[in-house]
Amino acid sequence: DSGVTQTPKHLITATGQRVTLRCSPRSGDLSVYWYQQSLDQGLQFLIQYYNGEERAKGNILERFSAQQFPDLHSELNLSSLELGDSALYFCASSVRGQGDGYTFGSGTRLTVV
Amino acid sequence: AQKITQTQPGMFVQEKEAVTLDCTYDTSDPSYGLFWYKQPSSGEMIFLIYQGSYDQQNATEGRYSLNFQKARKSANLVISASQLGDSAMYFCAMSRNQAGTALIFGKGTTLSVSS
Repeated sequence: DSGVTQTPKHLITATGQRVTLRCSPRSGDLSVYWYQQSLDQGLQFLIQYYNGEERAKGNILERFSAQQFPDLHSELNLSSLELGDSALYFCASSVRGQGDGYTFGSGTRLTVV
Repeated sequence: AQKITQTQPGMFVQEKEAVTLDCTYDTSDPSYGLFWYKQPSSGEMIFLIYQGSYDQQNATEGRYSLNFQKARKSANLVISASQLGDSAMYFCAMSRNQAGTALIFGKGTTLSVSS
């Protein structure tokens, strides 16, 4: 157990729908990062939150949004889902991002049908 | 812009042999971090080893060592005494500065260990 908890582990939904992925960071970690892993794009950084505030944005689509709550858990919202959004979505957390500070959750596998 | 290149899509090694997985990087930042992660077929991302750009010595963690050649901008992972359980995808990644920024990943190398 890495200490980063992601739910659900698997999600199957239809095109056009909206889903929410949840992440609880490792105890004490203030930063949460969301990544998408797909066969064609590889591992891509989506967005980072630090202590409730958006810190950095990567290749996140406008249909996707995220937030970090006061208890530091984070949610990634994916809307108007397309077949191409099928991927493994990872959450990672870090204190300072140094050394082994980046810890990944086990991921949520999203399948859009 | 930062970039990580892993040129070996697949590598094959026999049990107990050593193997080197290549990684080159490009950055204009003087301060950065380099990481290797292992992703088995089950999907989780497992941290293996870290090297900071100012670290004088190559990082080692058990059977893993990072061959850091700053002038050549390479950060190869060396796995000694390969085991069947080492069969997985391996990703090289980089962070800007050494604290608190997102990781940029290479495309990965699939390692297959045979008995």
